[in-house]
Amino acid sequence: NAGVTQTPKFQVLKTGQSMTLQCAQDMNHNSMYWYRQDPGMGLRLIYYSASEGTTDKGEVPNGYNVSRLNKREFSLRLESAAPSQTSVYFCASSERRGANEKLFFGSGTQLSVL
Amino acid sequence: AQSVTQLGSHVSVSEGALVLLRCNYSSSVPPYLFWYVQYPNQGLQLLLKYTSAATLVKGINGFEAEFKKSETSFHLTKPSAHMSDAAEYFCAVSPTNSGGSNYKLTFGKGTLLTVNP
Repeated sequence: NAGVTQTPKFQVLKTGQSMTLQCAQDMNHNSMYWYRQDPGMGLRLIYYSASEGTTDKGEVPNGYNVSRLNKREFSLRLESAAPSQTSVYFCASSERRGANEKLFFGSGTQLSVL
Repeated sequence: AQSVTQLGSHVSVSEGALVLLRCNYSSSVPPYLFWYVQYPNQGLQLLLKYTSAATLVKGINGFEAEFKKSETSFHLTKPSAHMSDAAEYFCAVSPTNSGGSNYKLTFGKGTLLTVNP
């Protein structure tokens, strides 16, 4: 069972470069999320997609865009990377968007912006 | 606005000792509460969750947590630590009046648990 798959696992960018983080889930979940994890900060929600065809901003959306390509895939794009975006990025999914839903996480992408 | 505070960014215990990881929440109404665990180089996994049923919640790997409304706490415990419990633990809170969505799930800053042989 693959669960939530993220690519790439590691990436180094120069300031101003762009890239897209890919995420796919094989659990037929409706809702998907992108979080960033910074030391001593916990996880903060960047964007989420409650269902296929919808996306909404989370707590820290500036500098990012997302695409819910289909029910399985939810990508995160950095158009012009900045050092402040150095972080570990996690994609997650849940069967529904309910407040008591369990989240399933990918193994993360470690991004460094120089 | 809701928030969650994890007391102690780092807890160290001996193998076989009691594990106690503290979590206090602030919320205008009793929320849903979660504990997630993150093993090195992995994503988070759900340990247990409180959803207003029983106040003592049992999770995976022998962990349990008790919801105490009077203390606004949801501490995580395990009677006997094992080396494999070494990981980072996150408490999270989601308001029950969020319109049926978990986009307002708020994570604590995490507690790193070290287990010494």
